[in-house]
Amino acid sequence: KNQVEQSPQSLIILEGKNCTLQCNYTVSPFSNLRWYKQDTGRGPVSLTIMTFSENTKSNGRYTATLDADTKQSSLHITASQLSDSASYICVVTHKAAGNKLTFGGGTRVLVKP
Amino acid sequence: NAGVMQNPRHLVRRRGQEARLRCSPMKGHSHVYWYRQLPEEGLKFMVYLQKENIIDESGMPKERFSAEFPKEGPSILRIQQVVRGDSAAYFCASSDYRGGEEQFFGPGTRLTVL
Repeated sequence: KNQVEQSPQSLIILEGKNCTLQCNYTVSPFSNLRWYKQDTGRGPVSLTIMTFSENTKSNGRYTATLDADTKQSSLHITASQLSDSASYICVVTHKAAGNKLTFGGGTRVLVKP
Repeated sequence: NAGVMQNPRHLVRRRGQEARLRCSPMKGHSHVYWYRQLPEEGLKFMVYLQKENIIDESGMPKERFSAEFPKEGPSILRIQQVVRGDSAAYFCASSDYRGGEEQFFGPGTRLTVL
């Protein structure tokens, strides 16, 4: 079964600290892997997108990594800010299923002052 | 360039009523996707449409749910005879082609069934 699993489910960090979110997937073959940020009550907004040949992609203080061999990705947030409080969703595009997106359950991050 | 627009943002219905959710894709996008997000869960694919065509409805319940994307006007997700289990956030996304570089999401419609 094609799945995307994220850990931890939730995370509390102090402002200014770093954190790393994990994503394991079984979707195969895949076209790309994306990380989205979803603020409470809003739609998801794309942070990064990587194809299977890319190992890392940065967007400001967000850095995503991808290991296609182990089917793992991570999202690293550097020097967290209060505005980073949100859900972070790992999404894999399933190439054999007409490029359908499979969503992870998300990691809820709360940044405290 | 306005983003994906959805309305209403919040919708309250009583059991047995109909719910109509609208989505206007980004300008120039002809591919629309509907997703459902139950409380405390991830987004689940429901249906994928191109103008006037349903391409993939594998994630949509066979009964009570329907979707359309007419030649003119927004895409509509219609839920007939709503039940409490239909309470969720419904998100629409659009892209310029399937599996394209980016799917842009709307703000969602939060449906509450009393």
